Amino acid sequence: DSGVTQTPKHLITATGQRVTLRCSPRSGDLSVYWYQQSLDQGLQFLIQYYNGEERAKGNILERFSAQQFPDLHSELNLSSLELGDSALYFCASSVDPGGRTRQETQYFGPGTRLLVL
Amino acid sequence: DQQVKQNSPSLSVQEGRISILNCDYTNSMFDYFLWYKKYPAEGPTFLISISSIKDKNEDGRFTVFLNKSAKHLSLHIVPSQPGDSAVYFCAASGGGSNYKLTFGKGTLLTVNP
Repeated sequence: DSGVTQTPKHLITATGQRVTLRCSPRSGDLSVYWYQQSLDQGLQFLIQYYNGEERAKGNILERFSAQQFPDLHSELNLSSLELGDSALYFCASSVDPGGRTRQETQYFGPGTRLLVL
Repeated sequence: DQQVKQNSPSLSVQEGRISILNCDYTNSMFDYFLWYKKYPAEGPTFLISISSIKDKNEDGRFTVFLNKSAKHLSLHIVPSQPGDSAVYFCAASGGGSNYKLTFGKGTLLTVNP
């Protein structure tokens, strides 16, 4: 158990719909990362939040957005869903002490499996 | 542009023998490398990491070797056990303040009893 929790575990929805995935980081971790794992693309970085603020963006579609709340949990919002958005979505967290070291280990949650029909 | 490559999609070894998983990278800015293990329907589990200032890091049965000049790292598992059967991902980070991980596509390790 990494200490990172994600809900829901599974999500089935229809094209055009909007869903919200939730992540709670490990206690004490300030950074939250979102990754997408699809069959052909492997694990792809989407976005990072640090202490409530967006820090880095990766291959995140404009239809997707995220935020990190004051209690440090994060939500990933996926809208206007398409069949191709079906994937595993992972959240990871790290301590990220703000510059003392850049070499951070990220700990992953169990993921949310999204199926768009 | 695949910056982290795991060229072997699968590897099969006998229980008790050594498993060697390989990973190559192209981005010279990477300075921290990690190996994760993943079972189906679970998240990646951190195994071991290595900083670019080292060439070896050991943790129990797991050893990671880094050859910076060749931009190559490897994970050795000795002795291999059936419970080690999983997908192993190599990941790298570094360069600026962006700590994102760039992953390889994984190698499926099967350890046969």
